[in-house]
Amino acid sequence: EAGVAQSPRYKIIEKRQSVAFWCNPISGHATLYWYQQILGQGPKLLIQFQNNGVVDDSQLPKDRFSAERLKGVDSTLKIQPAKLEDSAVYLCASSPSGTGFGAFFGQGTRLTVV
Amino acid sequence: TQLLEQSPQFLSIQEGENLTVYCNSSSVFSSLQWYRQEPGEGPVLLVTVVTGGEVKKLKRLTFQFGDARKDSSLHITAAQTGDTGLYLCAGLISGTYKYIFGTGTRLKVLA
Repeated sequence: EAGVAQSPRYKIIEKRQSVAFWCNPISGHATLYWYQQILGQGPKLLIQFQNNGVVDDSQLPKDRFSAERLKGVDSTLKIQPAKLEDSAVYLCASSPSGTGFGAFFGQGTRLTVV
Repeated sequence: TQLLEQSPQFLSIQEGENLTVYCNSSSVFSSLQWYRQEPGEGPVLLVTVVTGGEVKKLKRLTFQFGDARKDSSLHITAAQTGDTGLYLCAGLISGTYKYIFGTGTRLKVLA
């Protein structure tokens, strides 16, 4: 079974530029999460989708971050404009709906804003 | 804001020692997971616990879910250098779709 795919693995941009990350979850997984992880800390949920609907985006900085999950499969997360404090690893994860079996993570995208 | 507090935040021990990591919250969880994360990788699922009081063993790792399903512990027996990593607990808040992560415990096992 293929895992969660994310791209790119690394991205370096200047502040005020825009960037987009892509995620393809495990086939059949209804729930998709985007997390931001600062070095050495636990992941912080940015947005959670159930199929193509948003379940929780309470911690998403909506003035600069946006995410979509068209057709309930893959997803993109965009930052526009980026700030220095957005430097982090952005993790995508997926899980079967409502089973509570935990989430399966991609390798993440390491973003550096200079 | 629901929180999952982990303790200790950092732990450095010698190979062969035992250790316990704790995960505590005021929220009730319908399930709770433990993950290990290595540098440059995403977290990898170790175990899921769903029943209050449940104990699961995975080789030298023992996981326990509190009776009230608000807390959990991870015990490692005879730690090895390969156990080094960031340990994360995470839980599905009961009655919701909210899945939150703990603050993390960074473990370093010295040879």
